[in-house]
Amino acid sequence: DGGITQSPKYLFRKEGQNVTLSCEQNLNHDAMYWYRQDPGQGLRLIYYSQIVNDFQKGDIAEGYSVSREKKESFPLTVTSAQKNPTAFYLCASRAWPSGANVLTFGAGSRLTVL
Amino acid sequence: KQEVTQIPAALSVPEGENLVLNCSFTDSAIYNLQWFRQDPGKGLTSLLLIQSSQREQTSGRLNASLDKSSGRSTLYIAASQPGDSATYLCAAGIIQGAQKLVFGQGTRLTINP
Repeated sequence: DGGITQSPKYLFRKEGQNVTLSCEQNLNHDAMYWYRQDPGQGLRLIYYSQIVNDFQKGDIAEGYSVSREKKESFPLTVTSAQKNPTAFYLCASRAWPSGANVLTFGAGSRLTVL
Repeated sequence: KQEVTQIPAALSVPEGENLVLNCSFTDSAIYNLQWFRQDPGKGLTSLLLIQSSQREQTSGRLNASLDKSSGRSTLYIAASQPGDSATYLCAAGIIQGAQKLVFGQGTRLTINP
């Protein structure tokens, strides 16, 4: 089945450590996105990429980094510079520029800083 | 800056009732409005997408409307069922091509048997 796979589902990190969240899609979508969700809040855009080897900052990019070396992969690194990294992280993709405007989401990764 | 608001934050209704969820946005210059469903600890599932030129979209028991001039969208759920219990989020599409979405905080819906 086509879809988006995020791993790990749960991740615990000590303060000062960098962690990388994986996002893989087999939908042949061009655009990929990373969102952060905090309790009782909507999703906020961290980074997005429309083509391989290109990405743009979203609204809350500070303390995060990404890469897009392959079309199907868009990993997110949460660095030690992120002041409050505990959150639920969601990856999404969309066919671009043509195709439906509907985003497909992964199941999410929950990061907890100890 | 576009802001999206959903009120109420939580709603509890008996099974079988028809209900309406509300979404408001501050800037009418959107190019689409989407409704999503999120089950606890899960990702989002797209329910309905309304393009800026459209007034409503329907899928089964769900009907979403869009009024750009007033900055409002509603999601109507007919004959609610316990399986409809979830958090419903709306999102305004603000930049064409890049598909940047601005999300509301969501409405947590509980349908009581």
